[in-house]
Amino acid sequence: SAVISQKPSRDICQRGTSLTIQCQVDSQVTMMFWYRQQPGQSLTLIATANQGSEATYESGFVIDKFPISRPNLTFSTLTVSNMSPEDSSIYLCSVETSGAYEQYFGPGTRLTVT
Amino acid sequence: GQQVMQIPQYQHVQEGEDFTTYCNSSTTLSNIQWYKQRPGGHPVFLIQLVKSGEVKKQKRLTFQFGEAKKNSSLHITATQTTDVGTYFCAGQPSFGAGTTVTVRA
Repeated sequence: SAVISQKPSRDICQRGTSLTIQCQVDSQVTMMFWYRQQPGQSLTLIATANQGSEATYESGFVIDKFPISRPNLTFSTLTVSNMSPEDSSIYLCSVETSGAYEQYFGPGTRLTVT
Repeated sequence: GQQVMQIPQYQHVQEGEDFTTYCNSSTTLSNIQWYKQRPGGHPVFLIQLVKSGEVKKQKRLTFQFGEAKKNSSLHITATQTTDVGTYFCAGQPSFGAGTTVTVRA
């Protein structure tokens, strides 16, 4: 397993601004992921954060809107750029332990855009 | 693309009763995972199934992977209030819609 922390835990932001969410893992992991979860809904994968290379984005998500950094094997950031109220959601990072498909999730960042 | 469908969306259970939630994929899965998310919490990994026809148990929870590896089920016996939450199946990278369980004491 892995222990994951996220910052901030929640934020209220103005339309048009950007927010960077940090994800820290207590051990080195190969795979890190960023998800979005609307209240009462399922999880939607935004992108896979690759160490040393560009993130791999899912359909409907683009780098200009959700730039991701992965400087090392224990840390990643997701930026939500030029925010609109539709970006209000919970953003979760997760990690996949080496050799298994099971994912461990951070506590999430609750974002409200006004 | 791969889609994972999950039913029912809501399950209201009398304490002590059993229930089952089902997960179906449009394509063959190499593996499937189940997660539980308590209200206000984040998803927590429960189990992974890999082999065709595999059955795994965790106390009152029984997980099954179909022979064709396109469906899976989670069966909970003698439901308790601690079982409240949303149960998601996941066939990477898709998560099912989840089954939200409420329990009547």
